Amino acid sequence: GAVVSQHPSRVICKSGTSVKIECRSLDFQATTMFWYRQFPKQSLMLMATSNEGSKATYEQGVEKDKFLINHASLTLSTLTVTSAHPEDSSFYICSAMGPSWQETQYFGPGTRLLVL
Amino acid sequence: AQKITQTQPGMFVQEKEAVTLDCTYDTSDPSYGLFWYKQPSSGEMIFLIYQGSYDQQNATEGRYSLNFQKARKSANLVISASQLGDSAMYFCAMREGRGNTPLVFGKGTRLSVIA
Repeated sequence: GAVVSQHPSRVICKSGTSVKIECRSLDFQATTMFWYRQFPKQSLMLMATSNEGSKATYEQGVEKDKFLINHASLTLSTLTVTSAHPEDSSFYICSAMGPSWQETQYFGPGTRLLVL
Repeated sequence: AQKITQTQPGMFVQEKEAVTLDCTYDTSDPSYGLFWYKQPSSGEMIFLIYQGSYDQQNATEGRYSLNFQKARKSANLVISASQLGDSAMYFCAMREGRGNTPLVFGKGTRLSVIA
């Protein structure tokens, strides 16, 4: 299957700092990328949909000023958690898909964020 | 209302036996896709199998098969000849419509394979 990378895989930061997470599609052009958040022992919750070259669409309850998403190219989307707080500690995982609606979504390996 | 329902929080299966993980879905869109993903403790989401709403036959991928009952709106995953490495969380997901829409996930089922 297609390969999606995510960096960093794990990050620990102090409260108040910003953290940037990168999601890359390595062998296909991803017109759409999705960002999910997963708390321990829970399912994946969609945070936002990111289309290349346009503003992200955020799900209800997700603060767009806190979770900045940029999808500047067909292979890269970034999620920046601004002024992170301990409650932002979670597993963040991105997925990417190509232009066809019939295509499978492929997931990155995820990023574990711990805010102290 | 939940779009994807997985009623089994946890399941146990003996090694080499088959196991069925249940999934029901709710949609009024005639075009949709159903997916199963495996999530081991490392956290990565591993794509297992896909079934399109217009597919006439049940999807199969190696030891995985999807029992698609359209009228019942169910898409159960069958794992044959379970292996210890199959122990993981399993998520059923649905994508509605023909656009680049996101997946909606069920709550998952934790499968434990016993030697």
